[in-house]
Amino acid sequence: KAGVTQTPRYLIKTRGQQVTLSCSPISGHRSVSWYQQTPGQGLQFLFEYFSETQRNKGNFPGRFSGRQFSNSRSEMNVSTLELGDSALYLCASTPGVSTDTQYFGPGTRLTVL
Amino acid sequence: DQQVKQNSPSLSVQEGRISILNCDYTNSMFDYFLWYKKYPAEGPTFLISISSIKDKNEDGRFTVFLNKSAKHLSLHIVPSQPGDSAVYFCAASAVGGGSQGNLIFGKGTKLSVKP
Repeated sequence: KAGVTQTPRYLIKTRGQQVTLSCSPISGHRSVSWYQQTPGQGLQFLFEYFSETQRNKGNFPGRFSGRQFSNSRSEMNVSTLELGDSALYLCASTPGVSTDTQYFGPGTRLTVL
Repeated sequence: DQQVKQNSPSLSVQEGRISILNCDYTNSMFDYFLWYKKYPAEGPTFLISISSIKDKNEDGRFTVFLNKSAKHLSLHIVPSQPGDSAVYFCAASAVGGGSQGNLIFGKGTKLSVKP
């Protein structure tokens, strides 16, 4: 099976712009979670989608949003970008059962100038 | 407030010796714990997990120990190999809440295994 894929791998934006990142989960996986990794804060949970519904949400401002499509692919959007949003954004997928292992994609490196 | 803490940012070990990576947590609702390994420019890779009903889980060279009373878990790698050099993340989840989709990660420990 192909692994989790994320596009684009690298992105440079300027403050105030918005950005959309995409994640394609492993075939058959219905749950997609998003994480932000920064040097200072480590890996922090953004949100989880299961069957097109947001099932869990982390402690991030409303500028961060996401959605999931019927084919389980997911997008996350960040509006009004700030310098502090520069990070590696990772998505992970599981079949959806609570004890499933999360499998991570390679991440999208976002740089905000 | 950090719910999962890895107090050692780095660890250096000689090849062939044991590597012990430690992790502490504060939330007593956590009932599922995982270790991930991460190389630069790649996503984290799952290594091993343990449920709170167990105190030990072993998989080849990797063993995870859980001490619930101390809210402490550790990852033992024996014997350590140069290819094990990576950043190791401890993660926890409250599965009983219905979803494992929300993992709480520690900040990681960078392991260097020297030949």
